[in-house]
Amino acid sequence: ETGVTQTPRHLVMGMTNKKSLKCEQHLGHNAMYWYKQSAKKPLELMFVYNFKEQTENNSVPSRFSPECPNSSHLFLHLHTLQPEDSALYLCASSQDAAGGPSGELFFGEGSRLTVL
Amino acid sequence: GQNIDQPTEMTATEGAIVQINCTYQTSGFNGLFWYQQHAGEAPTFLSYNVLDGLEEKGRFSSFLSRSKGYSYLLLKELQMKDSASYLCAAIDSNYQLIWGAGTKLIIKP
Repeated sequence: ETGVTQTPRHLVMGMTNKKSLKCEQHLGHNAMYWYKQSAKKPLELMFVYNFKEQTENNSVPSRFSPECPNSSHLFLHLHTLQPEDSALYLCASSQDAAGGPSGELFFGEGSRLTVL
Repeated sequence: GQNIDQPTEMTATEGAIVQINCTYQTSGFNGLFWYQQHAGEAPTFLSYNVLDGLEEKGRFSSFLSRSKGYSYLLLKELQMKDSASYLCAAIDSNYQLIWGAGTKLIIKP
């Protein structure tokens, strides 16, 4: 139990569907992240929120739309995805977004997404 | 460009010692993390190094050489539960995390 909870754990969707991934952290952290993890590839940072404000968007296609209503919750809205978007989507939080010892990331277990 | 290199896969024997290497090329450097990720689970923090030298934490130790752009994770008295992927990540001058692709460690009895 890392203090970061992601739902659903598994999701299968067609290319025309709309779905959302949810992340909740119970650690009182200020920064939250979405990462994409594909087999044998480095973690790809998608979005960063610090104090509910988006501070980073790593050229992510607009079919991925993040939402951070408060510093404990983070959503990733998905629509018209492509098969190559199939991956494990990891949410993480940290005390702050500045790296260093206080930048240690706490990850959720991920949402395994399959796009048909 | 920025890059992290670590072996894709390693195999070791229960009870033995294994060293997982990580080399990095980053624009500036503000520290290096090691994370452990069991299959189907969340990555979990193992260590953070920012100064040269060895940091020991139980059976796990992490070493850093800033001049060589090199780190290693040393696992002693290997146990079957140590079978996992080990992720190396360096922090650049903009405090961005640069991740390696991970090393899958297989422990055999």
